[in-house]
Amino acid sequence: EAAVTQSPRNKVTVTGGNVTLSCRQTNSHNYMYWYRQDTGHGLRLIHYSYGAGNLQIGDVPDGYKATRTTQEDFFLLLELASPSQTSLYFCASSDRISNERLFFGHGTKLSVL
Amino acid sequence: AQKVTQTQTSISVVEKTTVTMDCVYETRDSSYFLFWYKQTASGEIVFLIRQDSYKKENATVGHYSLNFQKPKSSIGLIITATQIEDSAVYFCAMREGNNRIFFGDGTQLVVKP
Repeated sequence: EAAVTQSPRNKVTVTGGNVTLSCRQTNSHNYMYWYRQDTGHGLRLIHYSYGAGNLQIGDVPDGYKATRTTQEDFFLLLELASPSQTSLYFCASSDRISNERLFFGHGTKLSVL
Repeated sequence: AQKVTQTQTSISVVEKTTVTMDCVYETRDSSYFLFWYKQTASGEIVFLIRQDSYKKENATVGHYSLNFQKPKSSIGLIITATQIEDSAVYFCAMREGNNRIFFGDGTQLVVKP
């Protein structure tokens, strides 16, 4: 079974603070995704990547940077966090070998005070 | 415009009955994938079932099946013989050719004894 690990599980920061959310997958998947989940909005795509060094812009990218350092690791960066970025963040991976289905991490709950 | 639309916010059924959840999507791609995921009370998101756009046969996995109506851009999820543990939020998702994956806002299913 594919494994996607997110860290930290919970994070509290202040407005203007820097935050890095980490995601690691151990299944050699090419594609990795960052989503945010807010009440009433389902899952919204922030950024995604199809390999180390690649970054694709999602639907709600403002205020977020991301970097894929290796095939396994995908980071989401909030350089000047704002209260509007308080949310539940999910990382996921997929590939053709997994029939295109997404494997999700357990999520990171971020609060920006 | 939203790419994936789930109009049913919440559905309540009695256990052992059949429930259908609606989903419509919008795409210009000729080839795409459609998925249903389930988010449990603990927040975990798991894959349920998938439909390839080029396949006419409706996908079936266990007590989950799909009602794929391509001309209507519709992919309904049918759960037969519902159980209490089916209570969750169900998300419809679409993967386009550029590997972007869009989610609907979800449908809350409550299965009562």
